[in-house]
Amino acid sequence: ETGVTQSPTHLIKTRGQQVTLRCSSQSGHNTVSWYQQALGQGPQFIFQYYREEENGRGNFPPRFSGLQFPNYSSELNVNALELDDSALYLCASRRDGGTNEKLFFGSGTQLSVL
Amino acid sequence: EDQVTQSPEALRLQEGESSSLNCSYTVSGLRGLFWYRQDPGKGPEFLFTLYSAGEEKEKERLKATLTKKESFLHITAPKPEDSATYLCAVIFTGGGNKLTFGTGTQLKVEL
Repeated sequence: ETGVTQSPTHLIKTRGQQVTLRCSSQSGHNTVSWYQQALGQGPQFIFQYYREEENGRGNFPPRFSGLQFPNYSSELNVNALELDDSALYLCASRRDGGTNEKLFFGSGTQLSVL
Repeated sequence: EDQVTQSPEALRLQEGESSSLNCSYTVSGLRGLFWYRQDPGKGPEFLFTLYSAGEEKEKERLKATLTKKESFLHITAPKPEDSATYLCAVIFTGGGNKLTFGTGTQLKVEL
């Protein structure tokens, strides 16, 4: 059974550019969430996808967008990057979006915006 | 405002020196409280889920407990490999299915 995998592991971009981060959910999981973790902080919820539909969003601007594919993998897109977007971006999956089940996290993508 | 607060921010223990980490929450309608461990540069690793006051869970040297206002993660006779950041998170009524995290307790266990 494979866990949650994310790519790339590290990324450096400049302000104003766009970035796409990718995530493969754990086998058997149909729900994917994305979190942003700034240095020294707890993860902050960005949004969640359940069966290819967004079904929850945190306090992030519209330039943060996402997709979920039929195989339940997911992408996080960030447009017009700002310096404050530098963070560890975590993808997490669970078996069913409507439950309180635990989330399994990937190792994250470390994004640096210069 | 729904909030999760962890204390202390950092804790240094000698090997074998037991202690407790605290997670207090002010949310309406707790649906679940989660403890995760996070090593540097890695994603959080699931430890426990607690759903109702009075519930306890144990795994090796760790034991998590839950009351109506807070949770404790007790570490008994810790070893250096227990060094990590421990994160607490909650799911609550009206919060959808998102996890609301605290800022974590950074634990270092020394020989």
